[in-house]
Amino acid sequence: GESVGLHLPTLSVQEGDNSIINCAYSNSASDYFIWYKQESGKGPQFIIDIRSNMDKRQGQRVTVLLNKTVKHLSLQIAATQPGDSAVYFCAEPLHNYGQNFVFGPGTRLSVLP
Amino acid sequence: SQTIHQWPATLVQPVGSPLSLECTVEGTSNPNLYWYRQAAGRGLQLLFYSVGIGQISSEVPQNLSASRPQDRQFILSSKKLLLSDSGFYLCAWSVPAARHAEAFFGQGTRLTVV
Repeated sequence: GESVGLHLPTLSVQEGDNSIINCAYSNSASDYFIWYKQESGKGPQFIIDIRSNMDKRQGQRVTVLLNKTVKHLSLQIAATQPGDSAVYFCAEPLHNYGQNFVFGPGTRLSVLP
Repeated sequence: SQTIHQWPATLVQPVGSPLSLECTVEGTSNPNLYWYRQAAGRGLQLLFYSVGIGQISSEVPQNLSASRPQDRQFILSSKKLLLSDSGFYLCAWSVPAARHAEAFFGQGTRLTVV
């Protein structure tokens, strides 16, 4: 379900290092996952997605890993840059009436100079 | 291409006043539409979603209501705002009947109830 009552955990990373942001999901039937990036004062932006028939998907400087056994997602950002500072959410679409999205609690990534 | 517009960007309203936030989508037909609220430093809470004109589902009981008078227009309203209604409101849309499709978000409205 949605963890909207939790304060955001924070990850601080040195510029140039790799970042790993984690997300756990509860619905073992979920077959599609999305990572969003939300900069301060803006709406979330799509980063990358992955279907459950894949374990790994790579984009530009980002990689998403899916471990269905333990119901865990991770987003890896290579060579983290100041512009990567944002809140990152994982999301899974539900397929009941309509197509709702359930978002994880989010992680705030702070890039240190 | 598809675009989503949400306004106003910021709003300061007194307690007890009415609210109307508007969201429109261009470049697509019959989208699924959503209203989310985000309290400061917290995650996204789904408030309402709609799969068609006049079809609104509410996820949480609250002081707010939503309407969809046109295919690509989604409105969030309140008759009397409470202090607890303050937050960042996000409208979003997604492709209907698509099993693997992301939600596209507007830029949000920062509402402060004073």
